[in-house]
Amino acid sequence: GESVGLHLPTLSVQEGDNSIINCAYSNSASDYFIWYKQESGKGPQFIIDIRSNMDKRQGQRVTVLLNKTVKHLSLQIAATQPGDSAVYFCAEKSGFQKLVFGTGTRLLVSP
Amino acid sequence: DAGVIQSPRHEVTEMGQEVTLRCKPISGHDYLFWYRQTMMRGLELLIYFNNNVPIDDSGMPEDRFSAKMPNASFSTLKIQPSEPRDSAVYFCASDGTGVSGNTIYFGEGSWLTVV
Repeated sequence: GESVGLHLPTLSVQEGDNSIINCAYSNSASDYFIWYKQESGKGPQFIIDIRSNMDKRQGQRVTVLLNKTVKHLSLQIAATQPGDSAVYFCAEKSGFQKLVFGTGTRLLVSP
Repeated sequence: DAGVIQSPRHEVTEMGQEVTLRCKPISGHDYLFWYRQTMMRGLELLIYFNNNVPIDDSGMPEDRFSAKMPNASFSTLKIQPSEPRDSAVYFCASDGTGVSGNTIYFGEGSWLTVV
């Protein structure tokens, strides 16, 4: 029979636009969150992280927002470039050193 | 640093054969993780070690899978005997709480196909 894989949500944007990728997490005890970028054929690459005592953290062209009230995490990418095309994973950690990954969002950037 | 190094990058093997995947973590990192990624299940944590000691192997699918970490710079994930449903990308990752502050770094993966 035909296999059914994970259906990754896809966000399609134009080059130069800002992108917002969202993630809902499940464990209210999670105290550390990471965004990873995975390009085709490569391993997940760390982008930015945030601890639960913060609600916003900025990096180079990226911003992570954390809303603990609704258990929501978002990654904002400014001036999106074709090289940003990838699958983006949020990951949460509760307890010690055991990350739990979300299913991922595919970002497609059109020139 | 060279990052997490995995080998082989690609392997095609016949059902029933033994498969050994290897990993060299980032020097100084005291945590090592093995993940599996498939289209069906996404990224799954199989097992992780702290200071070479297995801490949580609850993600290991069955007895055909085993992992060892004989020293701080080397780990193996073995599948014996392999089955077609084991086809996946296997990632090794490492972390050093005193070095990188809880950030887990991944290798490039070992792409396994069992036919």
